[in-house]
Amino acid sequence: GAGVSQTPSNKVTEKGKYVELRCDPISGHTALYWYRQSLGQGPEFLIYFQGTGAADDSGLPNDRFFAVRPEGSVSTLKIQRTERGDSAVYLCASSPGGGAGELFFGEGSRLTVL
Amino acid sequence: EDQVTQSPEALRLQEGESSSLNCSYTVSGLRGLFWYRQDPGKGPEFLFTLYSAGEEKEKERLKATLTKKESFLHITAPKPEDSATYLCAVLLIQGAQKLVFGQGTRLTINP
Repeated sequence: GAGVSQTPSNKVTEKGKYVELRCDPISGHTALYWYRQSLGQGPEFLIYFQGTGAADDSGLPNDRFFAVRPEGSVSTLKIQRTERGDSAVYLCASSPGGGAGELFFGEGSRLTVL
Repeated sequence: EDQVTQSPEALRLQEGESSSLNCSYTVSGLRGLFWYRQDPGKGPEFLFTLYSAGEEKEKERLKATLTKKESFLHITAPKPEDSATYLCAVLLIQGAQKLVFGQGTRLTINP
C-alpha cells in the first residue's frame, strides 16, 4: 500500500514567487495535516483538515500561506510572495480520523527560497 | 506557555551501549505523549503513544516511559540501524489535533 506522497520533493524558487506543494494522503484517511520543519528543529504545526474543511489553521504563520483540500483527499499548500524565511521542509501527514497523535508522514517537500 | 524540551541534543554510543533520551514537558493539559523516529531526508515515523503517568511501551530495543513531567526513551543494546533523530511530541487537551514537538535528539550508534 502506498504511503503519503508529496510533490515536489525539492523546490527552489526566488523571493517573491508563488509556490504550490502537493500532498496525496493514504487512501481512506480523512484527517490531513501540514507541518513545517526547519533544520535542527522539530516539526511545527500549520493546519489540519478533517474531510474537505480546515478544522484548525491556527499554525499558518500569516496570510501568505493557504491550504485547500477540495475533494477530501489531495491537499495543496500555497505560499504567496515567498520570503527567505519560508525555506524549510514542509511535511504532510494523514491519519484514519481519530488518532491525532499517531500520524503517517510523507517524506516532505524541501523548499528553498533564494 | 506549552513547552517540550528534549535532551541531549545529540548522543553518540557504541553498539551495545544502553542509554536513555529525555523529553520534559510543561503543558497546560496533556492528552498524550508520542515518540517518533526520523531518518535523514525522511518524514517522522510513529513509535509509541503514552497517555498516563506510569505507562510503559516497548518495541524491540526501545522502551518508552512516562511520568507527570517527563518521558524517557530507553535504548537497550543498540545497533547501528537505531541511529536516527528521535522526536517527542505532546497532544494537548486544549490543542485539538495539533502535536507540539520537541527539537529532537540525534542518536548515532557506532559499530
